[in-house]
Amino acid sequence: AQRVTQPEKLLSVFKGAPVELKCNYSYSGSPELFWYVQYSRQRLQLLLRHISRESIKGFTADLNKGETSFHLKKPFAQEEDSAMYYCALFNDYKLSFGAGTTVTVRA
Amino acid sequence: NAGVTQTPKFRVLKTGQSMTLLCAQDMNHEYMYWYRQDPGMGLRLIHYSVGEGTTAKGEVPDGYNVSRLKKQNFLLGLESAAPSQTSVYFCASSSPGTSKNNEQFFGPGTRLTVL
Repeated sequence: AQRVTQPEKLLSVFKGAPVELKCNYSYSGSPELFWYVQYSRQRLQLLLRHISRESIKGFTADLNKGETSFHLKKPFAQEEDSAMYYCALFNDYKLSFGAGTTVTVRA
Repeated sequence: NAGVTQTPKFRVLKTGQSMTLLCAQDMNHEYMYWYRQDPGMGLRLIHYSVGEGTTAKGEVPDGYNVSRLKKQNFLLGLESAAPSQTSVYFCASSSPGTSKNNEQFFGPGTRLTVL
């Protein structure tokens, strides 16, 4: 069965510092991975997906099949990046979510 | 387009009471989902539907039932609420085979408290 692990529940960084959110997965096939974000008092929304290989709001995520990881990175964190971030793996119609990481960016 | 909407936004129940949460989407999506969000546990799938008239169990289906009588609506029922069902419930929908393939669109959530 697939599994998504986000080892950090909380992450606090200063504005302008780099931020990296870790995501590891276990899955026997070729994974389809996503990062979702939930800003305060807002609904969950897609941030990016690995197949697009795009940068959204300065965030990037690279799939590393050897390490079974899909870490989310941003070189210079902004205060508006404070949110809950979820890594998710798609399989068989469904998404499996990690436990989430709450990011706080301090001025 | 309203996207995915959920009613009610908040609800407080007593143990043993029943209720139905309604999810509606106006994007003509085939797939719909119900999740619960609990601190430290992320989102866990309760039930889902891959089309009108079909439903399937997710990760945590016990104590819940669902129905998808119309393509745009997905109902989540609690027959006899328990304190363990205190949570925030999210509905989502998606449409396979499009440019947004497998991206799920979420509703605003329903905060349920069972006393």
